[in-house]
Amino acid sequence: GAVVSQHPSWVICKSGTSVKIECRSLDFQATTMFWYRQFPKQSLMLMATSNEGSKATYEQGVEKDKFLINHASLTLSTLTVTSAHPEDSSFYICSARDPLTSGIAYNEQFFGPGTRLTVL
Amino acid sequence: KNQVEQSPQSLIILEGKNCTLQCNYTVSPFSNLRWYKQDTGRGPVSLTIMTFSENTKSNGRYTATLDADTKQSSLHITASQLSDSASYICVVSVPTDKLIFGTGTRLQVFP
Repeated sequence: GAVVSQHPSWVICKSGTSVKIECRSLDFQATTMFWYRQFPKQSLMLMATSNEGSKATYEQGVEKDKFLINHASLTLSTLTVTSAHPEDSSFYICSARDPLTSGIAYNEQFFGPGTRLTVL
Repeated sequence: KNQVEQSPQSLIILEGKNCTLQCNYTVSPFSNLRWYKQDTGRGPVSLTIMTFSENTKSNGRYTATLDADTKQSSLHITASQLSDSASYICVVSVPTDKLIFGTGTRLQVFP
């Protein structure tokens, strides 16, 4: 099946620094990737939709200047948390859609294992 | 407002027992409904996906049902195992690729 990886799996950083998280589709090309954030005991919340070769589409309330998304290739999307603060500490999960294996009815998304960000 | 509600919030069962998780949704337009298993500190893993025309779908010991008329779905786990301890998330997809996530049911299986 389709595999999505994330790197790093966890990161601890000081307040004010920037952190980059990578999301890769390992065995398929993903024209669309999604970035989610999940706080403890809560469900996933979509932050932005990342399309290869174009600007990301951010959800309402998500600061695009703070959460920079780059989808430079069909297998890699990156999320950079700029000037991170403790309130940005969360579990960040990406997903990717494989247009070749997903029928129109299913448009299945495959999730990465997540990245735990802790900002001190 | 598009919403997906799950019950119960948490559930404790003994190993070997069966259990059923519930999902009610008010999402329109509807594309498909998925059940995911999420282990602590991991990303969600797909268990089943159903379109509105599918009433039931199985994946090993997991069986999902869908009633598109009443907008209800259930996930039945048979002969539970310790490794089934996880959060189970009901997710409804709309045609624009957006996923509407339920709040999840946290299942704990004890020996």
